[in-house]
Amino acid sequence: QSVLTQPPSVSAAPGQKVTISCSGSSSNIGNNYVSWYQQLPGTAPKLLIYDNNKRPSGIPDRFSGSKSGTSATLGITGLQTGDEADYYCGTWDSSLSDVVFGGGTKLTVL
Amino acid sequence: QITLKESGPTLVKPTQTVTLTCTFSGLSLSTSGVGVGWIRQPPRKALEWLALIYWNDDKRYSPSLKSRLTITKDTSKNQVVLTMTNMDPVDTATFYCVHRRYWPPYSFDYWGQGTLVTVSS
Repeated sequence: QSVLTQPPSVSAAPGQKVTISCSGSSSNIGNNYVSWYQQLPGTAPKLLIYDNNKRPSGIPDRFSGSKSGTSATLGITGLQTGDEADYYCGTWDSSLSDVVFGGGTKLTVL
Repeated sequence: QITLKESGPTLVKPTQTVTLTCTFSGLSLSTSGVGVGWIRQPPRKALEWLALIYWNDDKRYSPSLKSRLTITKDTSKNQVVLTMTNMDPVDTATFYCVHRRYWPPYSFDYWGQGTLVTVSS
């Protein structure tokens, strides 16, 4: 049981937009920055979003992040088949003194 | 260009201790603010942070696994070593070496390719 809650799966058609939610509490998302990671099949995770809404160099602006209260959201526009992957949110939990991740969301581009 | 690569045994027996090595390039643990750590992922499951060590030898551990983990660094070899004691089949996972800064942003911005460790008799 992960500290952060994500939907197990989401799907959308190519070219469409999808959002992935990440729900937590005041001890984690509510008072700390959120990161998002993309894990393509058979590969290591890659940083997609940091500090709630910033993109590392090389990440296209089709990917966006936001945070409100104790929830964070990853948005992907102009979906491509190459976006099919598992997506994880992560942050620091001040009560647990631990890095915590969501359970991951599998994105299917139909 | 920052790269990290994990190495270690692929198969260990229950109750044994596993030692994993992360060899990196493009960064140095003698540089202020640099941190290297470990995250694991059981097959078809979520990510779990294990430990971090910083340039100043500050060490951080996941509270749930702290009693079983030791992280050390060899600055001259550009290596970080993680030992995990009393391995159990539930510890079967891919172990990733990661980079994180001591100061914000606190994200894991570079990852190794991972090494699969299977625990079985």
